[in-house]
Amino acid sequence: AQSVTQPDIHITVSEGASLELRCNYSYGATPYLFWYVQSPGQGLQLLLKYFSGDTLVQGIKGFEAEFKRSQSSFNLRKPSVHWSDAAEYFCAVCGNTGNQFYFGTGTSLTVIP
Amino acid sequence: EPEVTQTPSHQVTQMGQEVILRCVPISNHLYFYWYRQILGQKVEFLVSFYNNEISEKSEIFDDQFSVERPDGSNFTLKIRSTKLEDSAMYFCASTPRMTRVGNEQFFGPGTRLTVL
Repeated sequence: AQSVTQPDIHITVSEGASLELRCNYSYGATPYLFWYVQSPGQGLQLLLKYFSGDTLVQGIKGFEAEFKRSQSSFNLRKPSVHWSDAAEYFCAVCGNTGNQFYFGTGTSLTVIP
Repeated sequence: EPEVTQTPSHQVTQMGQEVILRCVPISNHLYFYWYRQILGQKVEFLVSFYNNEISEKSEIFDDQFSVERPDGSNFTLKIRSTKLEDSAMYFCASTPRMTRVGNEQFFGPGTRLTVL
């Protein structure tokens, strides 16, 4: 069965520091992987996605993620965090039928000055 | 930029009452979805809808739930007799084609349902 694990419930980083949010997935075939961000009162906004090709994917707002099949991971990174990056981050994998997403529990990011 | 909208933003209801959550997907999208997120838990798939019928549903989506696209623009989720455990954030999403062929789902801001 498909599933996504985000091991870190909450992360706090200083503004300007680097960030890595972890995501591990379980999927029987080639996965389609996504990172979404949710700011308070807002919907889920797509940061980036991986379908095939280059395993290092660039997204919006300076985020990137690397697909590592051997580790079943799709970790999200940003070299220098801004205060506006404080939000909830969700990793998701697309299901067999291509219809539904399986989400992780999310990682809440706090950015301190 | 087109976006998915949802109304109301917050709905409070009494246990046993019917509620209808409304969504307006992006206009040229063909696939529609409902998800829910119970506080502190993961976002869970409820149902997908294409060509005026349900294409897939989860175990959560039992006989108390129904979906409808009544007028070509709105997409609604009805809960017939709400239970306390239905309290959650409900997200609507849409996509122009099946996600598997390379399209992300576009999500609305959610409706927070509180059942008392």
